[in-house]
Amino acid sequence: GDSVTQMEGPVTLSEEAFLTINCTYTATGYPSLFWYVQYPGEGLQLLLKATKADDKGSNKGFEATYRKETTSFHLEKGSVQVSDSAVYFCALRVSGGYQKVTFGTGTKLQVIP
Amino acid sequence: GAVVSQHPSWVICKSGTSVKIECRSLDFQATTMFWYRQFPKQSLMLMATSNEGSKATYEQGVEKDKFLINHASLTLSTLTVTSAHPEDSSFYICSARQGWGTDTQYFGPGTRLTVL
Repeated sequence: GDSVTQMEGPVTLSEEAFLTINCTYTATGYPSLFWYVQYPGEGLQLLLKATKADDKGSNKGFEATYRKETTSFHLEKGSVQVSDSAVYFCALRVSGGYQKVTFGTGTKLQVIP
Repeated sequence: GAVVSQHPSWVICKSGTSVKIECRSLDFQATTMFWYRQFPKQSLMLMATSNEGSKATYEQGVEKDKFLINHASLTLSTLTVTSAHPEDSSFYICSARQGWGTDTQYFGPGTRLTVL
């Protein structure tokens, strides 16, 4: 079946540090890939997405590139801020049916001043 | 952006009672709503998918008689946990999708259920 594996957290970084959160996937079809973010006390929000190989999703300084050859979709940001502290979920969706989304376990990021 | 609300945000109940959780899309019509369950330090697990006016589709291993889902309108879906037990304690999250041609789901803030 479909699955998403992402690095365990928590990840603690100093402000302005470089961020990488690894995500790999297995899928029965050709998935679309997503990163969701959950800020404290809030619901999940879509951060970025990519729908085909070599596509790069980007938003708020975050980027992730759809790598079909390595089945990966790693999240990166060049300079994190305290306001980026949240839980980040990698997810995939395979077309067809009700388009169910499969999530990774989430990675908590804490950015300290 | 599109907003999804859940009510209540936190509920405590006694074992054997039933609890109803509401999920509302506030500024759009949701053709499809999803219900997830999240355990501490674990991922969101899809419980069921519901389309307005039709029966919910449950994921394997989810008891449909225990987790009753009703999607009576394009802006409201409810999840009722019947005869709740302590092992049902969890964080329940709903999401809503607007239309069939979009892959964007909008998530509610979640409801924490504690069964004593």
